[in-house]
Amino acid sequence: DQQVKQNSPSLSVQEGRISILNCDYTNSMFDYFLWYKKYPAEGPTFLISISSIKDKNEDGRFTVFLNKSAKHLSLHIVPSQPGDSAVYFCAATYQGAQKLVFGQGTRLTINP
Amino acid sequence: DAGVTQSPTHLIKTRGQQVTLRCSPKSGHDTVSWYQQALGQGPQFIFQYYEEEERQRGNFPDRFSGHQFPNYSSELNVNALLLGDSALYLCASSLDLGANVLTFGAGSRLTVL
Repeated sequence: DQQVKQNSPSLSVQEGRISILNCDYTNSMFDYFLWYKKYPAEGPTFLISISSIKDKNEDGRFTVFLNKSAKHLSLHIVPSQPGDSAVYFCAATYQGAQKLVFGQGTRLTINP
Repeated sequence: DAGVTQSPTHLIKTRGQQVTLRCSPKSGHDTVSWYQQALGQGPQFIFQYYEEEERQRGNFPDRFSGHQFPNYSSELNVNALLLGDSALYLCASSLDLGANVLTFGAGSRLTVL
């Protein structure tokens, strides 16, 4: 039962353009969502998060949008830089869950 | 300030053997969770430790067990290894039991032959 899904295994974007990574979830109990970035041979690094009481959260070049009715969230990176090339994981949790449920990840490649 | 440290980084075992993986949480963190990341998949929650007790467990068999020590460090033990246990094992720590943001280590890559 895949409660968090990232349907695009990979994404290739030109440097300077916008990268949009998508994530869908099925569990209505989820009320907190996170994005992690992972480079090879490193652990996942926290990037940005959003609570279900908001529909947008911005941090520099990174913005996360949440559409609760569609059970969909997206991560926008503007402008994309070569250092953004990594695997991005969407994760979700809820009050008292004490665990994160991850999607399968999307490999983002930024081309110079 | 050291983040989450894990050892060993790589190891190879054969089917039926047992393995112990170790984790030291980030300074100031008292809660440790373990995740299994199979190739091409996202991390899957194994269990969480707080105050030296297992507080939450994912859908993993009893062959997977753990321990947390008074200094908050933790061990993950896997008995009777199967080929399917080959994965990257990630340790994560957090400020407290209810914290949503986890800090991950680089992982221990286990290969079972």
